[in-house]
Amino acid sequence: QKEVEQDPGPLSVPEGAIVSLNCTYSNSAFQYFMWYRQYSRKGPELLMYTYSSGNKEDGRFTAQVDKSSKYISLFIRDSQPSDSATYLCAMGRFYFGTGTSLTVIP
Amino acid sequence: NAGVTQTPKFRILKIGQSMTLQCAQDMNHNYMYWYRQDPGMGLKLIYYSVGAGITDKGEVPNGYNVSRSTTEDFPLRLELAAPSQTSVYFCASSYSGETWGRGDSYEQYFGPGTRLTVT
Repeated sequence: QKEVEQDPGPLSVPEGAIVSLNCTYSNSAFQYFMWYRQYSRKGPELLMYTYSSGNKEDGRFTAQVDKSSKYISLFIRDSQPSDSATYLCAMGRFYFGTGTSLTVIP
Repeated sequence: NAGVTQTPKFRILKIGQSMTLQCAQDMNHNYMYWYRQDPGMGLKLIYYSVGAGITDKGEVPNGYNVSRSTTEDFPLRLELAAPSQTSVYFCASSYSGETWGRGDSYEQYFGPGTRLTVT
């Protein structure tokens, strides 16, 4: 079983839509959960960082961790064309999801 | 702050050639990492280092070598390049220590990547 599972998409939504991106994981010891955004032909950059369970909000972005279900989510409200990128979840020090490709259509 | 820098940006190698991918960071981070990213496969850890003089293997170390003689630099060496090493290589760094009173910080800062083709 992989440490981290992420639906690769691709996901295509109209501008203004609410986007939900998700990952599941197998190791209950994970405490640190991160979301990275990667634009085409660029390196990943940290978008959100959450410690343990709960929600964290930053502008249009909300990261949610449900440790009981080993499930993490990233919600993007009022999505913009500039949000078009690949989103990678990450946990612990080394474990990354495969990334979900998102396109927001104007 | 330049952050994490990588050179070269692109490279084409012939099978059997060798090369070194350079990585440097100016954030005084103790941890450094090398990943490869293949389409649809996410990031796979090749090697990492917890400080100068200390390195360890990741998930896919075969065909690669690393060294860390300074805090700033973490070069990745490819010996006898093979087509299976065609990929995009990312170097990253992070700081391990007390952050916000929660111990280790796992946030990684990535370089812009090196696109390598082996033919």
